[in-house]
Amino acid sequence: GAGVSQSPRYKVAKRGQDVALRCDPISGHVSLFWYQQALGQGPEFLTYFQNEAQLDKSGLPSDRFFAERPEGSVSTLKIQRTQQEDSAVYLCASSFLGQGGADTQYFGPGTRLTVL
Amino acid sequence: AQKVTQAQTEISVVEKEDVTLDCVYETRDTTYYLFWYKQPPSGELVFLIRRNSFDEQNEISGRYSWNFQKSTSSFNFTITASQVVDSAVYFCALSDPYNFNKFYFGSGTKLNVKP
Repeated sequence: GAGVSQSPRYKVAKRGQDVALRCDPISGHVSLFWYQQALGQGPEFLTYFQNEAQLDKSGLPSDRFFAERPEGSVSTLKIQRTQQEDSAVYLCASSFLGQGGADTQYFGPGTRLTVL
Repeated sequence: AQKVTQAQTEISVVEKEDVTLDCVYETRDTTYYLFWYKQPPSGELVFLIRRNSFDEQNEISGRYSWNFQKSTSSFNFTITASQVVDSAVYFCALSDPYNFNKFYFGSGTKLNVKP
């Protein structure tokens, strides 16, 4: 079946521009996650949805970052007034609720954001 | 606080060699989950294994095996008879105690397998 898809795969923005990154989770997956991966580092948690409810947004680095999942399926991560330090790969993952404890997360290919 | 350390930044081996990737974690909790993921050059993290803290049995899957030692807080990953296709960055991850679905990743180990 289809995996997690993300678009665009690459995004170049000028400093100060707003960007929107899209994630399509695996069909039927209840949970959706966003991570930020800086070059040469491991992914860092940004936020987590269960259906349309945003249950944890503790990892969002500033109020310029906003995520939504209005219908409990597709999610959008928006970054306003981008800064150079926002340059990173943004990974989306989804999971099927029901393993008990930590559900296995399945990742998309990521969006590489470069802010000039 | 949860922390994952992958001290090996980069490892190079020749095809058919065995290689072990180390993962050491820190947690004060008795219930937690550990994961390994593979990230090939395409960028997508590929799930390899999930383990909970109550299951200390070592696991083998083909050429892959995992050694979970709670006494040393380690969850090491061994590839037997490595192949060029194993070249990738490998990440170990640990769950958050209050939200099991929030993962803390190590910084990764880049494995280069040369023909």
